Amino acid sequence: RKEVEQDPGPFNVPEGATVAFNCTYSNSASQSFFWYRQDCRKEPKLLMSVYSSGNEDGRFTAQLNRASQYISLLIRDSKLSDSATYLCVVNPGGSYIPTFGRGTSLIVHP
Amino acid sequence: DAGVTQSPTHLIKTRGQQVTLRCSPKSGHDTVSWYQQALGQGPQFIFQYYEEEERQRGNFPDRFSGHQFPNYSSELNVNALLLGDSALYLCASWTATNYGYTFGSGTRLTVV
Repeated sequence: RKEVEQDPGPFNVPEGATVAFNCTYSNSASQSFFWYRQDCRKEPKLLMSVYSSGNEDGRFTAQLNRASQYISLLIRDSKLSDSATYLCVVNPGGSYIPTFGRGTSLIVHP
Repeated sequence: DAGVTQSPTHLIKTRGQQVTLRCSPKSGHDTVSWYQQALGQGPQFIFQYYEEEERQRGNFPDRFSGHQFPNYSSELNVNALLLGDSALYLCASWTATNYGYTFGSGTRLTVV
């Protein structure tokens, strides 16, 4: 089983839709979690950290479920500019080496 | 505040050659990690440097080596290039007081 697994998609949604991505991780000792956004042929950029209590940043909501070892990202009112690959990132416990999932591709169309 | 800078941005090499990629971390960051990202895949960890030492290494052969300088900048060297080494090579920096990596824009290496 891979350390961090994501559905690669693509998720193809119309503008204004709500879309959710899930990511599972195998190391139960993992301590910190992030979502990164990567545009085509660009570097990954930090979108948001994921906290146990869940956190929201505008149209984006991230949740962590430690018992089931998954994190989620919810995007409301999708914009064309949200089209990108979303990478789930997990820091294993005792390590400062983040492990990346392969990413989920989102395509928002008019 | 300069972010992470990498050079060169693009590179074409022939099989068997050697390549050196360079990275300057974000100001205030002392730890540099290198990642390889093949097309359609997530970044794969190569190694991390801190205080001029390789602190941790991923599952990459010895052909991949690195160095960190006193000013925290870093180099990634790849010897005996293979076609499969073609990828985007990303450098990321961070510091323990500021969680979350900052990535450079990467070096796109093509091996022909």
